[in-house]
Amino acid sequence: GAGVSQSPSNKVTEKGKDVELRCDPISGHTALYWYRQRLGQGLEFLIYFQGNSAPDKSGLPSDRFSAERTGESVSTLTIQRTQQEDSAVYLCASSSAPGLETYEQYFGPGTRLTVT
Amino acid sequence: ILNVEQSPQSLHVQEGDSTNFTCSFPSSNFYALHWYRWETAKSPEALFVMTLNGDEKKKGRISATLNTKEGYSYLYIKGSQPEDSATYLCACGGSNYKLTFGKGTLLTVNP
Repeated sequence: GAGVSQSPSNKVTEKGKDVELRCDPISGHTALYWYRQRLGQGLEFLIYFQGNSAPDKSGLPSDRFSAERTGESVSTLTIQRTQQEDSAVYLCASSSAPGLETYEQYFGPGTRLTVT
Repeated sequence: ILNVEQSPQSLHVQEGDSTNFTCSFPSSNFYALHWYRWETAKSPEALFVMTLNGDEKKKGRISATLNTKEGYSYLYIKGSQPEDSATYLCACGGSNYKLTFGKGTLLTVNP
């Protein structure tokens, strides 16, 4: 079946512009996660959705970052007034087991964001 | 805050060599240890999820062990092939839904 998809695959934007990243999880997966990997760093947790609600947004690095999820499916991650330090690969993952860390997370291919 | 360390940071081996690398994590408040393989331009792919001390899992030429008392996991690749070249990530799950990832080990297998 279809895996997790993300769009765009690459995004180059100018500093100060807003960007929107999209994630389509595997159908039926109630848990959805956003991560990012900056150069030389490990995968960094950003936010977790259980259904349409986000119990924990503490991983979002600043108030310029926001995310929403509608219909227990698509999620968008929005970064306002982008800064160069926002440059990273943004990964989305989904899981069939809500919030259980013993279950696999299925990752999308990521969006590579470059802020110039 | 969990601190997950992986070593080495990178590794070059010849085709046919066997290799292993390490993931270390705090042994307190442990729930699960995940290994992922991340090939360039592809999605990270789950290899193993382990929860019990002494767990050993195997998938083809790749296997992993878990020691929760001392806080480490080893990933082994037997008879490395060029297609094994990837970044291998480990991640630790604590008492919440979050996975904390290490920085990964970049494996390059030379033909």
